[in-house]
Amino acid sequence: DVKVTQSSRYLVKRTGEKVFLECVQDMDHENMFWYRQDPGLGLRLIYFSYDVKMKEKGDIPEGYSVSREKKERFSLILESASTNQTSMYLCASSSGQSWANEQFFGPGTRLTVL
Amino acid sequence: GQNIDQPTEMTATEGAIVQINCTYQTSGFNGLFWYQQHAGEAPTFLSYNVLDGLEEKGRFSSFLSRSKGYSYLLLKELQMKDSASYLCAVMDSNYQLIWGAGTKLIIKP
Repeated sequence: DVKVTQSSRYLVKRTGEKVFLECVQDMDHENMFWYRQDPGLGLRLIYFSYDVKMKEKGDIPEGYSVSREKKERFSLILESASTNQTSMYLCASSSGQSWANEQFFGPGTRLTVL
Repeated sequence: GQNIDQPTEMTATEGAIVQINCTYQTSGFNGLFWYQQHAGEAPTFLSYNVLDGLEEKGRFSSFLSRSKGYSYLLLKELQMKDSASYLCAVMDSNYQLIWGAGTKLIIKP
């Protein structure tokens, strides 16, 4: 079974802090994704990566950056956290054989910025 | 713009059948996904439709009409554990997933 893990389930940070969210997958997937999920809205793509050291902006990249130094690990960075970044953050991965492959999600990190 | 519409909430009775609809307007189409998400948990894959018609998988079936921009997820013999949110997502011409806000399904005994 594919397993996607995220470093924290719950995180509380203060405005202006630098925040790192880590995601690791164990199925040798090429594609990895970071989403945020807010009530009443669909999942919104922040960044994705289709290979090591490659990254592409999603729909809402502002205020975020990412790092993919190893195939299994995809990190989301909030350079200076703000209260409007309080959200549920979901990481996902999929096989690179086809973009239409299903995505496997991690359990999510609920981030609160005070 | 791109848009996915699905009802916000539905209620059904244990043992019954429920149909969750999803309509979409996207720039191109490369398939439609349904995911299930229990409260506080990760979304998990249910189905993928790229051709018109009905795909059946146990108690769950998913239907697609590309000409109408319409899909539904049919859940039969409802069980309490089916209480969850059901997310519809369409892959557009750029192979990006566009997500609906999800339908919260409440099952009553």
